[in-house]
Amino acid sequence: TQLLEQSPQFLSIQEGENLTVYCNSSSVFSSLQWYRQEPGEGPVLLVTVVTGGEVKKLKRLTFQFGDARKDSSLHITAAQPGDTGLYLCAGLQGAQKLVFGQGTRLTINP
Amino acid sequence: DTGVSQNPRHKITKRGQNVTFRCDPISEHNRLYWYRQTLGQGPEFLTYFQNEAQLEKSRLLSDRFSAERPKGSFSTLEIQRTEQGDSAMYLCASSLVNSPLHFGNGTRLTVT
Repeated sequence: TQLLEQSPQFLSIQEGENLTVYCNSSSVFSSLQWYRQEPGEGPVLLVTVVTGGEVKKLKRLTFQFGDARKDSSLHITAAQPGDTGLYLCAGLQGAQKLVFGQGTRLTINP
Repeated sequence: DTGVSQNPRHKITKRGQNVTFRCDPISEHNRLYWYRQTLGQGPEFLTYFQNEAQLEKSRLLSDRFSAERPKGSFSTLEIQRTEQGDSAMYLCASSLVNSPLHFGNGTRLTVT
């Protein structure tokens, strides 16, 4: 049973389009993190959201934490080929144990 | 900051053999984590250490898996009597308490 469900699992769009990736759970997390992973490499942290309703922006990426701290979304504006990768959400459980979703594999076509 | 280092990067072994992986964390980090990632999935938690103490181990982890961090610095993950289902990327991460995790680039294990 996946504690964190990400959708969609695969997304292929054209350069310049906008997209949103979702991360949902029935559990409450003290914080939620988004990572990006390239093939053959470990995940790299993009952002941490802590407060319910929090919105953080990282250039063309906008991250939102749900009011109840059970879900999050990642919105990318004007996607570029360099955004291609596996996007992972992860929730903090207990003292410091990260539980990951299954990831969204994003492909941006030139 | 030299980052988290994992060795080897790739390991091919025959079913039934034992394998050991090494992780060198960022030097001042007192927490160290092991995750396993199979194709198309997110990383799955295996275990973590604070200094040399192993504080949590996944209930999904077979008794064939053991991890150590003897001096609170590097860590090893050993898999005994490997099975084809053990084929995966094994990721190590380190952090300070209440700080983000920094991941290594993993060891890819293939069991034939």
